[in-house]
Amino acid sequence: RKEVEQDPGPFNVPEGATVAFNCTYSNSASQSFFWYRQDCRKEPKLLMSVYSSGNEDGRFTAQLNRASQYISLLIRDSKLSDSATYLCVVTVTGFQKLVFGTGTRLLVSP
Amino acid sequence: NAGVTQTPKFQVLKTGQSMTLQCAQDMNHNSMYWYRQDPGMGLRLIYYSASEGTTDKGEVPNGYNVSRLNKREFSLRLESAAPSQTSVYFCASSDAGTAPYEQYFGPGTRLTVT
Repeated sequence: RKEVEQDPGPFNVPEGATVAFNCTYSNSASQSFFWYRQDCRKEPKLLMSVYSSGNEDGRFTAQLNRASQYISLLIRDSKLSDSATYLCVVTVTGFQKLVFGTGTRLLVSP
Repeated sequence: NAGVTQTPKFQVLKTGQSMTLQCAQDMNHNSMYWYRQDPGMGLRLIYYSASEGTTDKGEVPNGYNVSRLNKREFSLRLESAAPSQTSVYFCASSDAGTAPYEQYFGPGTRLTVT
């Protein structure tokens, strides 16, 4: 079983739609959680950290459910510029080693 | 600030050739990392350096060596390239002491081994 699993998509949505991605992780000792964004043929960049209480950054909301070991990302009012691959990332206790999911591809169309 | 820079951007090697991928960061970060990214596999850690003078194996270290030349630079060497090493290689750095483990990535090196 992969340490971090994501639906690869693609998720095809129209502009203005709300879309949600989930990610599950297998290591219950995982401590920190993130969503990274990766544009086509570019490097990954941090989108947002995910906190136990849930957190919001503009149109983006991230949630963590430790009991079920999943993380979610909700994007409201999708923009064309949101088209990218979204990587779910967790860290394991002891060092800042990141474990990446394979990513979920989002395509926002006009 | 340039952030994390990598050279070269593209490279084609024949099986058995060697090469070194260069990485440098100007953010005064302690930790540096090398990843490879393959379709359907996600990013996988090859080697990392928690601080200057230390290096450790990651998930997929076979066929690679690294050198933490100083705090800024972390190189990845392929001694005898194989087609299985065709991939996109990313270098990253982080400031373990302050950031919540955010890693900053370079633009990547696209390597093809024929």
